[in-house]
Amino acid sequence: NAGVTQTPKFQVLKTGQSMTLQCAQDMNHEYMSWYRQDPGMGLRLIHYSVGAGITDQGEVPNGYNVSRSTTEDFPLRLLSAAPSQTSVYFCASSFGQGHQSYGYTFGSGTRLTVV
Amino acid sequence: TQLLEQSPQFLSIQEGENLTVYCNSSSVFSSLQWYRQEPGEGPVLLVTVVTGGEVKKLKRLTFQFGDARKDSSLHITAAQPGDTGLYLCAGEGRDDKIIFGKGTRLHILP
Repeated sequence: NAGVTQTPKFQVLKTGQSMTLQCAQDMNHEYMSWYRQDPGMGLRLIHYSVGAGITDQGEVPNGYNVSRSTTEDFPLRLLSAAPSQTSVYFCASSFGQGHQSYGYTFGSGTRLTVV
Repeated sequence: TQLLEQSPQFLSIQEGENLTVYCNSSSVFSSLQWYRQEPGEGPVLLVTVVTGGEVKKLKRLTFQFGDARKDSSLHITAAQPGDTGLYLCAGEGRDDKIIFGKGTRLHILP
């Protein structure tokens, strides 16, 4: 089925470890983004990309890196995991940013625990 | 900083009742979206409203965008247990970024 695929679904990391959260979409969407969702904080934008080769920071980018080498893939890298990065991470895509978007398609999320 | 305030935070009602949840801001948004999120899943888009005063209906759900494009409401008629979930509003801000409210957690009792 078409959509946004995130892997893994669950992950436990030790403090200081690094890892990559994968996100792939097959809808030929130009715009992709990463959010984290924490209790009481809502969805906060980490990084986003308006097309292959173009990325930019969102509201909470520290501790995370992204790259966009293809239209389909937008991985999120945690450089040195910290307990404060324990969260549920969502990848989202759309045809365009903002008023062009007609809404986001979200993946089912990655639940990350850092111990 | 543009903010979206959603109210109430939590709502628990009996099946068959009507309800309204709100999404308010002091800022103007060029468009506003509503999503529903179920446990363990990502948000799913319900509707996008783009014109001040616009009303959209999706079966028993009615969405309204305020005339000044600063607020929106979601009204559910004859709520059903399948309506249970977290309802999020999201507005397109000044820099084209989408800003999310913190959500209204709705529980419909059978």
